Amino acid sequence: EAGVAQSPRYKIIEKRQSVAFWCNPISGHATLYWYQQILGQGPKLLIQFQNNGVVDDSQLPKDRFSAERLKGVDSTLKIQPAKLEDSAVYLCASSLDRGDEQFFGPGTRLTVL
Amino acid sequence: AQSVTQLDSQVPVFEEAPVELRCNYSSSVSVYLFWYVQYPNQGLQLLLKYLSGSTLVESINGFEAEFNKSQTSFHLRKPSVHISDTAEYFCAVFKGTSYGKLTFGQGTILTVHP
Repeated sequence: EAGVAQSPRYKIIEKRQSVAFWCNPISGHATLYWYQQILGQGPKLLIQFQNNGVVDDSQLPKDRFSAERLKGVDSTLKIQPAKLEDSAVYLCASSLDRGDEQFFGPGTRLTVL
Repeated sequence: AQSVTQLDSQVPVFEEAPVELRCNYSSSVSVYLFWYVQYPNQGLQLLLKYLSGSTLVESINGFEAEFNKSQTSFHLRKPSVHISDTAEYFCAVFKGTSYGKLTFGQGTILTVHP
């Protein structure tokens, strides 16, 4: 069974630029999560989708971050414009349904200069 | 609100020695508890979980954790570590009503020396 796929694996941009990350969850998984992991900290949930609807985006900085999950499968997370403090690893995870075990992708390491 | 505290940011240990990684949580309601492991340049992998039943849970590679409700702890232990156990370990919790929202601790870097 294929795992959660993410791309790109690494991205370096300058502040005020835009960036987008892509996630392909495990086939059949209804729930998709985006986490932000800053160096030295545990992952923090940014947004949770159930199929193509948003369940929780309470910790998403909506002035610069946006996410969508078209057709309830793939998802993209965008930052526009990026700030230095956005440097982190962005993890995507999926689960069969809410409350089930979450499977994580390898992450995208973002460096904002 | 719930929170998770991992009491040690780094734990160095020699190969074949025992290790304990400490985790405490705060929550006023029933919780589910997890330990995840993250090897360098890889995503998080579930190591073990406590949902209900026996308070002692085990993983396939020799780790175990015990849910202690009175002390609100879920410490991870292994009686004899290997070089390959070097990784970062995260404790996580979610309430049964939070629909899958995990709250993670800060992580503990376990380094096993030969």
